[in-house]
Parts: sequence; structure tokens; C-alpha cells
Amino acid sequence: KAGVTQTPRYLIKTRGQQVTLSCSPISGHRSVSWYQQTPGQGLQFLFEYFSETQRNKGNFPGRFSGRQFSNSRSEMNVSTLELGDSALYLCASSTTTGTGYGYTFGSGTRLTVV
Amino acid sequence: DQQVKQNSPSLSVQEGRISILNCDYTNSMFDYFLWYKKYPAEGPTFLISISSIKDKNEDGRFTVFLNKSAKHLSLHIVPSQPGDSAVYFCAASLGNNNDMRFGAGTRLTVKP
Repeated sequence: KAGVTQTPRYLIKTRGQQVTLSCSPISGHRSVSWYQQTPGQGLQFLFEYFSETQRNKGNFPGRFSGRQFSNSRSEMNVSTLELGDSALYLCASSTTTGTGYGYTFGSGTRLTVV
Repeated sequence: DQQVKQNSPSLSVQEGRISILNCDYTNSMFDYFLWYKKYPAEGPTFLISISSIKDKNEDGRFTVFLNKSAKHLSLHIVPSQPGDSAVYFCAASLGNNNDMRFGAGTRLTVKP
């Protein structure tokens, strides 16, 4: 079956712009979580959506937002981009919310802010 | 606030020997721990997990040990193979949710 698909794979944006990243989960998976990966910081939890509702939120500023559609696809938006937002953004899907052993990660979107 | 720490950014071992990757955590309320493996240009893939009610879980060449009193877990790979070369992340979760806290990762290199 198809895995988790993230688009685009690479993105270059300028400071102050906004960006939208997309994540299509595995068919049947209703939970989508987003993570930011930066060198030395590991993966930091952004938020989780389940059945179109945000279930959990990490410690990121309000510039980071997301949503989930009825088909479980999710988008993440970052407004007023800063240089420090340059990172690999990963999404993961699972059938239910709760414990990450059922997670399947996508390959990520590499965002570079210049 | 780094609640999950992997203090060794890299580890190099010889093929056939044991690889031991370590992870420390600060929140004693974490009740589920996981290890993920990540190859370049791919997302992390789940490797093995352990619940806080156990102190050991084994799956083939991979064994995870949990020492709750020391707030420490480790991943043992025996025997190590060159294909095991990757970045390994440990993660911990609190309760029944997908808000996992990850360590910064350890890059394992297994030399032939």
C-alpha cells in the first residue's frame, strides 16, 4: 500500500513569506502528526490531528498552524517565515491516536528560508 | 526543555560486534518508549518499543532495556551489520497520545 506522501520534497522561501506543506496519510489512517527536525534538536512535536480536530499541540509559536480535511489529508502552514524555520518537516500517520508504535513517517519536506 | 536526551551524537562499531545506543529521560511519567531508525532522505521507521511496565523487550537482533530508576533506556544490536548504519532516535510518550518527545539522535556507523 502507498506510504505517507509529503509534498513538496524541497522548498526555498524568503524571510517573511508564508508556506504550506501537505501530507497525505496512508489510506485508513485518521491521525496525522507533524514534527520539525533540526540538527542537534531531534524531532520536535508540532501538532496532531485526528478526525479533522487538533488533538495535541507542541510548544511552537502561533505562526505554525495546521488543519486536516475530511479525507485525512493534512496541511501545515507557517506564516512570516524566519531563518530559524529552516528544517526538515516530517508528518506521520497512524490508525488511531495514541502511542507512536503505529506511526509511519513520510520522507519529509526540506524547507530552506533565505 | 529537552526531556529526552541522547548524549552521544555518533557511534562507530565493527561488523559483528554489539552496538549499544543510550537514551536518558527526565520525566518519570513517560510510560512508553520507542526507537526509530532513519536513513538519509527517508522518514524515520519504527524499530522497537517498550512499555514502562517492562524492563526488556527483544525483537531479533534488537533488544531494548529500560531502567526506570535511572530514567535510562538503551538499544542493543547484536550482531551489528553494515545495513544498520543509520541515525537512531529514541522517543517517549506520555499517556495515550501521539505527542512523542524525541532525542536528538545518534548516528551509528557499522564498519565492515
